[in-house]
Amino acid sequence: LAKTTQPISMDSYEGQEVNITCSHNNIATNDYITWYQQFPSQGPRFIIQGYKTKVTNEVASLFIPADRKSSTLSLPRVSLSDTAVYYCLVGSYNTDKLIFGTGTRLQVFP
Amino acid sequence: DSGVTQTPKHLITATGQRVTLRCSPRSGDLSVYWYQQSLDQGLQFLIQYYNGEERAKGNILERFSAQQFPDLHSELNLSSLELGDSALYFCASSEGAAVNALPPYEQYFGPGTRLTVT
Repeated sequence: LAKTTQPISMDSYEGQEVNITCSHNNIATNDYITWYQQFPSQGPRFIIQGYKTKVTNEVASLFIPADRKSSTLSLPRVSLSDTAVYYCLVGSYNTDKLIFGTGTRLQVFP
Repeated sequence: DSGVTQTPKHLITATGQRVTLRCSPRSGDLSVYWYQQSLDQGLQFLIQYYNGEERAKGNILERFSAQQFPDLHSELNLSSLELGDSALYFCASSEGAAVNALPPYEQYFGPGTRLTVT
């Protein structure tokens, strides 16, 4: 399973766009990139998943360049409630194991 | 609310004891996963069951065991407890199990059981 590297923490202000980049240099051909969000003392929650190019849903966008060695989670106009830890995971199509790294702790200020 | 339930919410016990954590997956989900989250090690995958059968194993200690019952609920048994076993234990469920050429299934996490070993 591919190892991921993310910034340990990020700060932002309400209303700003936040971009969290994840490096996964040894991603395999069949690996998907998935992001989860975790609030304190709660279980992680699925945000978005993609394979290549760009994926957008009602919560976030995921940008994946052609070489797929990195990906960027984009949160538009964050609010205080977006303060959480964000995990980037790289998963293979033939395994369900989720390998969580240390994640990125996002703090949103008013 | 993810639809996954876990009991108990909190558990305090002494070293050397044995406890059982219970998880009920979302209605219709066949896969159940167990994760351990401690302060110094983050979220660790322990084990996965799919439709009653063990499907994948992670960093699960020999003192720990799990099973999935015919009604699809799952139990995680922790024995000979040590102080270092104090952690949040999460159960997650998903619709199916990974299949070739399909993306990993979205996992829905329960609220967790906080275990404190004294």
